[in-house]
Amino acid sequence: NAGVTQTPKFQVLKTGQSMTLQCAQDMNHNSMYWYRQDPGMGLRLIYYSASEGTTDKGEVPNGYNVSRLNKREFSLRLESAAPSQTSVYFCASLPGSTNEKLFFGSGTQLSVL
Amino acid sequence: RKEVEQDPGPFNVPEGATVAFNCTYSNSASQSFFWYRQDCRKEPKLLMSVYSSGNEDGRFTAQLNRASQYISLLIRDSKLSDSATYLCVVNILTGNQFYFGTGTSLTVIP
Repeated sequence: NAGVTQTPKFQVLKTGQSMTLQCAQDMNHNSMYWYRQDPGMGLRLIYYSASEGTTDKGEVPNGYNVSRLNKREFSLRLESAAPSQTSVYFCASLPGSTNEKLFFGSGTQLSVL
Repeated sequence: RKEVEQDPGPFNVPEGATVAFNCTYSNSASQSFFWYRQDCRKEPKLLMSVYSSGNEDGRFTAQLNRASQYISLLIRDSKLSDSATYLCVVNILTGNQFYFGTGTSLTVIP
């Protein structure tokens, strides 16, 4: 099992460009999450998907869109990147029960110039 | 108000010391509680879950006080390898959301 795979690992964008961060898990997990991490801010939830076909906003959804096309994949799209979106992005998945642990991808370092 | 609040530290302690981290959460409907460890901006990894009765895993002890909405982590006999950022995490059943504290930085000094 690969676990949770995120691509790309690094990305530099210019303001106004768009891109999609990809996340896939091969563990048949129900829930998937996108977080961003900024210095001194901890991880903040952008969007999550409790199950295939459903998505909900987290704490900081503005400027992002997500797609849960199937159970494996949960993508995060920046339609018009802004310098404030410079951050490290983590995707995570959860097997089922909220008493279980989150499985994280290795992260995407995004810089918007 | 933040869902989860932690003292960011940093905590600098000598090897062998005992160190305690605290965390408070604001939502009384919080259901599950965890401590995660994060090294050098790598992905967070579960250190331990926190149960109402308190639980221990080797040198690590976690406590939960639901009345005060307070979680703690105690590390005994600190090792150099314990140097990391420790994240307090709370799950709120509604929407199956996990909220992270800002993390507490620990450096264990030889």
